[in-house]
Amino acid sequence: GQNIDQPTEMTATEGAIVQINCTYQTSGFNGLFWYQQHAGEAPTFLSYNVLDGLEEKGRFSSFLSRSKGYSYLLLKELQMKDSASYLCAVRDDSGGGADGLTFGKGTHLIIQP
Amino acid sequence: DAGVIQSPRHEVTEMGQEVTLRCKPISGHNSLFWYRQTMMRGLELLIYFNNNVPIDDSGMPEDRFSAKMPNASFSTLKIQPSEPRDSAVYFCASSQLPRTCIHFGNGTRLTVT
Repeated sequence: GQNIDQPTEMTATEGAIVQINCTYQTSGFNGLFWYQQHAGEAPTFLSYNVLDGLEEKGRFSSFLSRSKGYSYLLLKELQMKDSASYLCAVRDDSGGGADGLTFGKGTHLIIQP
Repeated sequence: DAGVIQSPRHEVTEMGQEVTLRCKPISGHNSLFWYRQTMMRGLELLIYFNNNVPIDDSGMPEDRFSAKMPNASFSTLKIQPSEPRDSAVYFCASSQLPRTCIHFGNGTRLTVT
């Protein structure tokens, strides 16, 4: 099975930087994903890490350490529209080609002016 | 390009009634997933299909739930009989192997009274 932990809620200020952490335990790791979900909407894909290191995409970056079972999502130059839930998800290969993602419960990010 | 299309967007029904949720995956995608999202449990994978064949249904809560995928462009999730605890947002998602991100539909908000 899998266990994914991330903070329930975080607050940050417009224009600042925020880091959302995610730790996971899985028997057959095959990739970590970050999704953004605005209230009442579908989750949308943000980033994907399968190797250790940092992946940068505009204002968003995601880091992975497989040996530590740890990832973070870094959001820079925060905007009010970044207020949303951020979901960490892991793909587990131990089931023999399984493709479904297991999601954490999400971090609700509140941006204050 | 059309994304994953789900219907209905909202469903309100009485306990004991049959509920059918529908999904049209993105054209060309060969994997389809059904997820359920609640405040308490977050996003849970119910079942997924690969090339129209159910691969893992271990997340289906009980025999009242069933899912079918008669062809590559259509899937249904049926609950019979429905219960109040089934109230949730049900998301359908699809992806194209190998192992890319999954794309979510806008979800069906189900309320069972």
